[in-house]
Amino acid sequence: AQSVSQHNHHVILSEAASLELGCNYSYGGTVNLFWYVQYPGQHLQLLLKYFSGDPLVKGIKGFEAEFIKSKFSFNLRKPSVQWSDTAEYFCAVKTGGFKTLFGAGTRLFVKA
Amino acid sequence: ETGVTQTPRHLVMGMTNKKSLKCEQHLGHNAMYWYKQSAKKPLELMFVYSLEERVENNSVPSRFSPECPNSSHLFLHLHTLQPEDSALYLCASSQDTTDTQYFGPGTRLTVL
Repeated sequence: AQSVSQHNHHVILSEAASLELGCNYSYGGTVNLFWYVQYPGQHLQLLLKYFSGDPLVKGIKGFEAEFIKSKFSFNLRKPSVQWSDTAEYFCAVKTGGFKTLFGAGTRLFVKA
Repeated sequence: ETGVTQTPRHLVMGMTNKKSLKCEQHLGHNAMYWYKQSAKKPLELMFVYSLEERVENNSVPSRFSPECPNSSHLFLHLHTLQPEDSALYLCASSQDTTDTQYFGPGTRLTVL
């Protein structure tokens, strides 16, 4: 069955630490890939997306993600996190048809 | 952010009640979605509408009945729900079914 796996459910980091959140999906066809973020008390919103082209994509607030097709992965990275990055992060994969599959989310807490 | 609005924000209902959730998007989008978000589980896609036509029904029980009267409005009619239906129900819209989704704040539903 098609699915999206996020490896970490909870991550705690200190400010200025580097971040990498893993995302793997199971689908063999063409995909559109997304990372969404939900800050406390706010709506889910887009962080970045990949449709085609350069597999390293940059999003808002210094985030980037790399699509590795051979590994079915789309990991999210940030070199130096800030307290304001505390949020829940969701990986999403748009497969053929009308479905978008979401991962279970990773809660990030950044200690000031 | 008022692109996608949802009402009510909170709803408590008994198992024999009938209620409706409302979603409105002010973004001129052509696709609208209902998702269910339960604790510690991935977002579950329920329904997708494209150009006011239902294009995806993700094996949702018939006690949930969607309605899309026009491209800006989406309803989810609820009847004879079960306690396990308690969750956050999110509405989203996108320009088309392949692109970024814009989410509303959700309706927190509790079924007693």
